[in-house]
Amino acid sequence: GNSVTQMEGPVTLSEEAFLTINCTYTATGYPSLFWYVQYPGEGLQLLLKATKADDKGSNKGFEATYRKETTSFHLEKGSVQVSDSAVYFCALPDGSGNTGKLIFGQGTTLQVKP
Amino acid sequence: GAVVSQHPSWVICKSGTSVKIECRSLDFQATTMFWYRQFPKQSLMLMATSNEGSKATYEQGVEKDKFLINHASLTLSTLTVTSAHPEDSSFYICSGRTSGTQQYFGPGTRLTVT
Repeated sequence: GNSVTQMEGPVTLSEEAFLTINCTYTATGYPSLFWYVQYPGEGLQLLLKATKADDKGSNKGFEATYRKETTSFHLEKGSVQVSDSAVYFCALPDGSGNTGKLIFGQGTTLQVKP
Repeated sequence: GAVVSQHPSWVICKSGTSVKIECRSLDFQATTMFWYRQFPKQSLMLMATSNEGSKATYEQGVEKDKFLINHASLTLSTLTVTSAHPEDSSFYICSGRTSGTQQYFGPGTRLTVT
């Protein structure tokens, strides 16, 4: 089945710093890739997605490019804010047919200090 | 659009009692709903997949007699934790999907068993 690996956190940055959270995957074919964000005490929200190779997903200043050559989908933001403090999950379908199941990375905690 | 609600948002129950958590898709019909469990500072663990009108499919290691899942309609799924014990204390998150791989997540329910 498919799998995903995220860089371990926590990541601590100062406000306006550049953010990169690494995500690599193994998969059959070219499945959609997702980044979800979880704010403290809340469920997950879809942050961005890419549905095919070389696509760039973007939302709220965050970007991630689907790179098939390196099997990566790294999350980036040019200037983080305190409000970006959250846990970020990379995800992709589990690959076992049309079940809709997603495989999540272990999550990376981002803490942004003023 | 694509809003999922959960009720209650938090619940405290005594050991040995049962508690029901509702998951509703408010503005779409969820042909499939998923139930996850999340321990502090960890990723989501898929517990089961439920399709409307059929029995839920449980992941390996999840006790189906303890975690009863009902998906009676396209907008409602329930998770009942039977004879709850302190080790069942956790954050339970549901999600719904219509087709494809994107899931829409509820805000989660914090269960504490005393």
